[in-house]
Amino acid sequence: QQQVKQSPQSLIVQKGGISIINCAYENTAFDYFPWYQQFPGKGPALLIAIRPDVSEKKEGRFTISFNKSAKQFSLHIMDSQPGDSATYFCAASRGGTSYGKLTFGQGTILTVHP
Amino acid sequence: NAGVMQNPRHLVRRRGQEARLRCSPMKGHSHVYWYRQLPEEGLKFMVYLQKENIIDESGMPKERFSAEFPKEGPSILRIQQVVRGDSAAYFCASSPGTSGNNEQFFGPGTRLTVL
Repeated sequence: QQQVKQSPQSLIVQKGGISIINCAYENTAFDYFPWYQQFPGKGPALLIAIRPDVSEKKEGRFTISFNKSAKQFSLHIMDSQPGDSATYFCAASRGGTSYGKLTFGQGTILTVHP
Repeated sequence: NAGVMQNPRHLVRRRGQEARLRCSPMKGHSHVYWYRQLPEEGLKFMVYLQKENIIDESGMPKERFSAEFPKEGPSILRIQQVVRGDSAAYFCASSPGTSGNNEQFFGPGTRLTVL
């Protein structure tokens, strides 16, 4: 019930293309869904996050789409650039005594070719 | 505004030794989380602390691992009698803890190698 499943495991995109990474969750108590970007040897950096009261959130080239009924959410990177090459993690958390505890997906290694 | 700080960045220990990992949260943040990342895997929650309190330690092994966040000073993750399986990157994250805001900001991590 606490799992977050992420796909694909790896993704190769040409410069200027759209990168799409998908996540699915099981626990309907989750109410916060962030995406993190991690470069080799660095800590994860918060990219964008969404709550279930909206179906889409956009910040620059990054968009989260959220489907509450399907318990799925996805990250879209428009106009992908070589500098976007990194590992991306989706995550989810819920309130209550576990407030803030993030459950992460397995990660997607994105490679953007010039 | 300095981000989350962790030290040391790299730590090498022999089996049976103790490892101490330190985390200083962002200024104004009162909540600290520790996560472990094994090679080629995602991050796994270990423990969630507020000042002087452990709120949730459900992800931390019952033996050899302990964590604290004292009133003064950094949060400490302590691993006693380390084994090779403890080799991983350990990340600390902090959040403001204000109502409705559980954005977490991560430090650069401590990479523990057990020989």
